[in-house]
Amino acid sequence: QVQLQESGPGLVKPSQTLSLTCTVSGGSISSGDYYWTWIRQHPGEGLEWIGFIYYSGSTFYNSSLQSRITMSLDTSKNHFSLTLTSVTAADTAVYFCARAFRTGYAFDIWGQGTMVTVSS
Amino acid sequence: DIQMTQSPPTLSASVGDRVTITCRASRSISRWLAWYQQKPGKAPKVLIYKASILESGVPSRFSGSGSGTEFTLTISSVQPDDFATYHCQCYDSKSYTFGQGTKLEIK
Repeated sequence: QVQLQESGPGLVKPSQTLSLTCTVSGGSISSGDYYWTWIRQHPGEGLEWIGFIYYSGSTFYNSSLQSRITMSLDTSKNHFSLTLTSVTAADTAVYFCARAFRTGYAFDIWGQGTMVTVSS
Repeated sequence: DIQMTQSPPTLSASVGDRVTITCRASRSISRWLAWYQQKPGKAPKVLIYKASILESGVPSRFSGSGSGTEFTLTISSVQPDDFATYHCQCYDSKSYTFGQGTKLEIK
């Protein structure tokens, strides 16, 4: 079955750039049936949608973060990535990648999540 | 952007109780509403999508209803495995929004 796995540094310094990758196994990110998505959860809080990328490369971002976000995908490696610039302590969170199916607009498969701490 | 208001923030229940969680959208989202269950240290798991469609493998004690701006998640008879946090999520115009979450606790 399809699985998603996040990878990236667990610690990032303030003002630097956070980069995460989500590797998809058991399925292809070239499918037009899904939106490949990033979601984060601040400690003890609710979920925040960051944005998604479609197989064509089209991207849609949370308006509150869009000035700092870039998403990309690499079909040869079957993974997609998130870059968040100028990070602050407010970006400390668990970051999840997830797959949203376009017919239901819900996230049916999630990665396990990766904790990212912004600290000097 | 759409705002989602989820209530209550915390819900205390006993095994066998019937419980209901509500989500209200700041404007109509048709039926583009999903519900998730999350346990500590784990990723959320989808329970319901398109307001009332039960995800495969989810027990039938979970049900969802609503359309437009008001939605509910009902657990007909709470089981020990159901004590967790529940999140609603809407979709509108290539954007997603989550509610603040409801923690279901043992009374």
